[in-house]
Amino acid sequence: EDKVVQSPLSLVVHEGDTVTLNCSYEVTNFRSLLWYKQEKKAPTFLFMLTSSGIEKKSGRLSSILDKKELFSILNITATQTGDSAVYLCAVPTGNQFYFGTGTSLTVIP
Amino acid sequence: DADVTQTPRNRITKTGKRIMLECSQTKGHDRMYWYRQDPGLGLQLIYYSFDVKDINKGEISDGYSVSRQAQAKFSLSLESAIPNQTALYFCATSDFGAGGLGDTQYFGPGTRLTVL
Repeated sequence: EDKVVQSPLSLVVHEGDTVTLNCSYEVTNFRSLLWYKQEKKAPTFLFMLTSSGIEKKSGRLSSILDKKELFSILNITATQTGDSAVYLCAVPTGNQFYFGTGTSLTVIP
Repeated sequence: DADVTQTPRNRITKTGKRIMLECSQTKGHDRMYWYRQDPGLGLQLIYYSFDVKDINKGEISDGYSVSRQAQAKFSLSLESAIPNQTALYFCATSDFGAGGLGDTQYFGPGTRLTVL
């Protein structure tokens, strides 16, 4: 059965901390893995990863994929209160997108 | 202007009522999706459509139906709403095969539905 699992489910940190969010997957015919940030609205796209070991970066956010161990991590350095959100991982496979339950990140001033 | 729009944005209804949620997109994508989101359960796929003549059930299609009126429009109906259908509903589009970026999904703003 295809599935996507994220950990931790929730995380509370202080501003300036660095966090690492995890996404593991078991899917047939893997094609890509996507990360989204969701605040109190629709998810917004962060990264799409297709190749192992190639880091994608956008400001303080970065992500990398390990296709051998079937996981991806999302790193956020020097966290800010505006980073507080739910971070979703999704893997399209065949005809569907499989989403993890998300990691709820709270950044305390 | 938003590429993916949903109407209504909020709706409160009573058990047994028929409800239609509408989604429109201006991205020109062939693929459209309906998801529901419940706290702690992530996004669950209800239905998806690869083109106007193609409709497929997702993980949780029971109690829902859809209509793909045109490439740009995909509607979700609850024939007889029940309280456990209270959730946040998202429409999304994608364009598979577009040079590696085709797997990206673009979401609408969501419809918050409450069934009393």
